Amino acid sequence: GENVEQHPSTLSVQEGDSAVIKCTYSDSASNYFPWYKQELGKRPQLIIDIRSNVGEKKDQRIAVTLNKTAKHFSLHITETQPEDSAVYFCAARDSSASKIIFGSGTRLSIRP
Amino acid sequence: DVKVTQSSRYLVKRTGEKVFLECVQDMDHENMFWYRQDPGLGLRLIYFSYDVKMKEKGDIPEGYSVSREKKERFSLILESASTNQTSMYLCASSLVRGNTEAFFGQGTRLTVV
Repeated sequence: GENVEQHPSTLSVQEGDSAVIKCTYSDSASNYFPWYKQELGKRPQLIIDIRSNVGEKKDQRIAVTLNKTAKHFSLHITETQPEDSAVYFCAARDSSASKIIFGSGTRLSIRP
Repeated sequence: DVKVTQSSRYLVKRTGEKVFLECVQDMDHENMFWYRQDPGLGLRLIYFSYDVKMKEKGDIPEGYSVSREKKERFSLILESASTNQTSMYLCASSLVRGNTEAFFGQGTRLTVV
């Protein structure tokens, strides 16, 4: 089955700087890679996703890149703001197109 | 507005009790999931269901069972609660095709004493 590893587990950046979170997956047949943001006390919510036929996707300050050959994908947040402080989860949908496997999460803190 | 609703926000149960966690979605989603969230371990999949009466084990099914008698409802059952099952439980649902975003419930924090 699919296995997703996520690094780092914690990340602290100065407000205005960029943050990068990296994930690797094991199932080469996985074709859908979402990223979720979970604010304190709230449910995880999708912030961006990418499919295996695309190498990069951007949405304002957030971008995701996918390297299918190396089986890794990354989340990039530019011009970080206090409201970006949260736990971020990467995920991969396995080849059965049903099961969604999550990484262990990254706690991002933005320093003023 | 899409909605996934879990029956309880907080639960306290005694060791050995049978515990039912209920989840209902109103989006006609085929897939439903139960995850367990623990600090440093992320969201671990317990069970998922891709259709009524269909279920598959996730990564940590031991000590749990599930029931899906209707498309909109997916129940997680702890047959005999133990203290190591104290955790946050999150239900989610998604379509199989098209927009496959998973929508989460608000979570149930279960404490087993």
